[in-house]
Amino acid sequence: NAGVTQTPKFQVLKTGQSMTLQCAQDMNHNSMYWYRQDPGMGLRLIYYSASEGTTDKGEVPNGYNVSRLNKREFSLRLESAAPSQTSVYFCASNIGTGDQPQHFGDGTRLSIL
Amino acid sequence: LAKTTQPISMDSYEGQEVNITCSHNNIATNDYITWYQQFPSQGPRFIIQGYKTKVTNEVASLFIPADRKSSTLSLPRVSLSDTAVYYCLVGDMWGRGFQKLVFGTGTRLLVSP
Repeated sequence: NAGVTQTPKFQVLKTGQSMTLQCAQDMNHNSMYWYRQDPGMGLRLIYYSASEGTTDKGEVPNGYNVSRLNKREFSLRLESAAPSQTSVYFCASNIGTGDQPQHFGDGTRLSIL
Repeated sequence: LAKTTQPISMDSYEGQEVNITCSHNNIATNDYITWYQQFPSQGPRFIIQGYKTKVTNEVASLFIPADRKSSTLSLPRVSLSDTAVYYCLVGDMWGRGFQKLVFGTGTRLLVSP
């Protein structure tokens, strides 16, 4: 039972480099989400995809782009990484109706020097 | 979505019952209450959720008074492995195709021997 799989688990980038974080779920969920978590803080929503073919901005979208490649996969791209984007990134998914719990991956730890 | 307020930290000992209370004074009629648990280096994990009165599952109970302005997560007979951060969130039951959750800083529970 893989659930939500994120790759890579760790990454170090230099300022200005680009990178794509990958997320895949095998639960046939309609909705997928990207969050970031800074030290000692709660999670903040970056982007979400309510269903295949749609994406929308969350609370902190600046500096990021997303692609809902198909129902299973939702990627997050940093076009020009900045030190302020050093964080742990979590992907989540759920069925998509209002009260269904979200299932989270184990995160990608990203450091930008 | 209603803002939630919960204690920053709590301490307990193995075998004790732990009650974490969350305040959500501006909860709307369509909102439900949901709780997540997060261990270090892992994504949050759904624990329990409810709309009113009491909900119980194999790991916790959730008590919601009639006015729904607060809720209490009860963990019976905690063990060292229950040391984690617990998030109280309010979600929109009638979310249109996605679930927008707002994570605060959570309650850091430390269970000692």
